[in-house]
Formats: sequence, structure tokens, C-alpha cells
Amino acid sequence: QKEVEQDPGPLSVPEGAIVSLNCTYSNSAFQYFMWYRQYSRKGPELLMYTYSSGNKEDGRFTAQVDKSSKYISLFIRDSQPSDSATYLCAMPEGGFLSGYSTLTFGKGTMLLVSP
Amino acid sequence: ETGVTQTPRHLVMGMTNKKSLKCEQHLGHNAMYWYKQSAKKPLELMFVYSLEERVENNSVPSRFSPECPNSSHLFLHLHTLQPEDSALYLCASSQEEERPLTFGAGSRLTVL
Repeated sequence: QKEVEQDPGPLSVPEGAIVSLNCTYSNSAFQYFMWYRQYSRKGPELLMYTYSSGNKEDGRFTAQVDKSSKYISLFIRDSQPSDSATYLCAMPEGGFLSGYSTLTFGKGTMLLVSP
Repeated sequence: ETGVTQTPRHLVMGMTNKKSLKCEQHLGHNAMYWYKQSAKKPLELMFVYSLEERVENNSVPSRFSPECPNSSHLFLHLHTLQPEDSALYLCASSQEEERPLTFGAGSRLTVL
């Protein structure tokens, strides 16, 4: 079983739709969860960063973590064409006081929002 | 300059060439990373440097040779690469464990 599973898409939606992006993971030791957005020909940029279970909202974006199910979600409300990108989930495996973070990534989901 | 800067953005090289990728971070971070991104695969961690010391090397072939002369600069030296090494090479930096990484825009490498 792969450590982080993510549907690669593409996911095509019309402008204004609510988008749900998801990842499942197998390592119960993960405590922090990240979503990165990557535009074509660019590096990934951090979108959301959450700790443990629950919801976190930032504008049109909501990150949700369910540690009991090992399932995380990113919701995008009122999606815009500018949201068209690949969305990567990631979880860090840093050793305590190691000073660095080893991220395990999903493959990424490509999102296409049409006008 | 802010964030993480990578040069060159695009590189085409033959299998017998020697080239280097450069990364510079302006964030005061203590750790720097090289990742490889290939189509339809998750990002693959190649190397980690923490406080200028290499702390991880994920079974990367010796034709890839990293160098970290100081906490702000990271290089990836390339020699006798194979066509399957064609990919986007991403540099990143971070401050502490379990914290997000800040990525550069990447260097797109094509090996002929």
C-alpha cells in the first residue's frame, strides 16, 4: 500500500463550482498536513497547513483532516479559472528536533476550472 | 531577490555532458532539499542538507552529486546522465522539522 494516495484527475468543473480534493494516507504518525498548489511550469506553493484533525478555513479554501479515517480534503468554494492547477497533498516526517522536514507527497490532482 | 531561486530554468544536455543546477534561498532557513518531479509520479526526495550537512540521500545514483557550500546555496552537479533523468528538479528550503517547505520554480532538465 502506497503511503499517500491521491486521484490524479484531471478534475474538470465549471466556474463557480465547489471542488473537493482528497488524499488518503497509511502512516498514522503523520500529524501535520499540507496542501500545495502547482501551476504549470512552476514550483509548488504552500496553500494550507494544518495540524491534527479538524477544519481550517482561508478565504475560499477549507482544509479538513480526519485522522481516524486517515483522510484529508481540500474544498474550494466558488472555483475560478485561476484555480486551474495541480494540487498536491503532503505530510512531513521530521524527526523530533531534527531541524528538517521530509515530506511525503501524493501524486497530485490536476484541476481544470472552465469559464 | 526573495524566496528560493533556481538557475537555470531550462537545461538540455547530452549524456556525456557535465552541468550543474544552482539554488539560492533568501529566507534564512536551515535546511535545503533537492526533489525530482517526473510525470505521473509523486515528488521524489533526493537529498537533504541540514545546517550544511547532508542528512539524507535517498539511494540516488552517483551521477547526481549535491554540494552545499553554505546555508543559502545548494548545487546539484550532473554528469553522464541518462534520458530517464529528464525531469523537473526542484529545490526547497525549510526552517524546522515538520514545517512546510518553500520551493523554487524548478529547473527543467532534458537529457538527449
